[in-house]
Amino acid sequence: AQTVTQSQPEMSVQEAETVTLSCTYDTSESNYYLFWYKQPPSRQMILVIRQEAYKQQNATENRFSVNFQKAAKSFSLKISDSQLGDTAMYFCAFMKHVPGSEKLVFGKGMKLTVNP
Amino acid sequence: NAGVTQTPKFRILKIGQSMTLQCTQDMNHNYMYWYRQDPGMGLKLIYYSVGAGITDKGEVPNGYNVSRSTTEDFPLRLELAAPSQTSVYFCASSPNDRPSFNEQFFGPGTRLTVL
Repeated sequence: AQTVTQSQPEMSVQEAETVTLSCTYDTSESNYYLFWYKQPPSRQMILVIRQEAYKQQNATENRFSVNFQKAAKSFSLKISDSQLGDTAMYFCAFMKHVPGSEKLVFGKGMKLTVNP
Repeated sequence: NAGVTQTPKFRILKIGQSMTLQCTQDMNHNYMYWYRQDPGMGLKLIYYSVGAGITDKGEVPNGYNVSRSTTEDFPLRLELAAPSQTSVYFCASSPNDRPSFNEQFFGPGTRLTVL
């Protein structure tokens, strides 16, 4: 079974600073996807960024980028120029690449607070 | 598009009562999911469906049932509610074609308390 571990339960950062959220996972699969989801106080789950394991290039989405280390099974999220609206719970998630079985396995999450 | 909608937003049940959590999506997605989120935890998959008439168990299916008679609707049934089912329930859907085939779109959640 796959597991996702987020070892930092909580972090805070000043507005405009850069912060990195860590995530490790365990799997015997060779082809899979990794995701970061954001859950603001409104409770809505929002996809931040995704990475396909077969791609060596790290994914980027505007201020968000990942550091994907497949051999180390590490998938960290970097948020640049932090904004107050980035305050949220962040969840790392794993999905096997098995057609008809696209199920997400989530980590426990990490609470990020961006301070003015 | 309204996306994924869930009703009700909040509900309090007594032990032993039953209820159905409704989920509807208007994006013509084949895949639909039910998750529960306990305090301080990530989401755990209860049931999922890859299309109308097809459902399968996830990680924590005990105490729940689902049906999928249409593409749009995926209700979750709780029989004999127990305090352990106190949680926030999320419904999600995803398309099965690129480029977004593995992105799950979530509803706003239902907060359920069983007393």
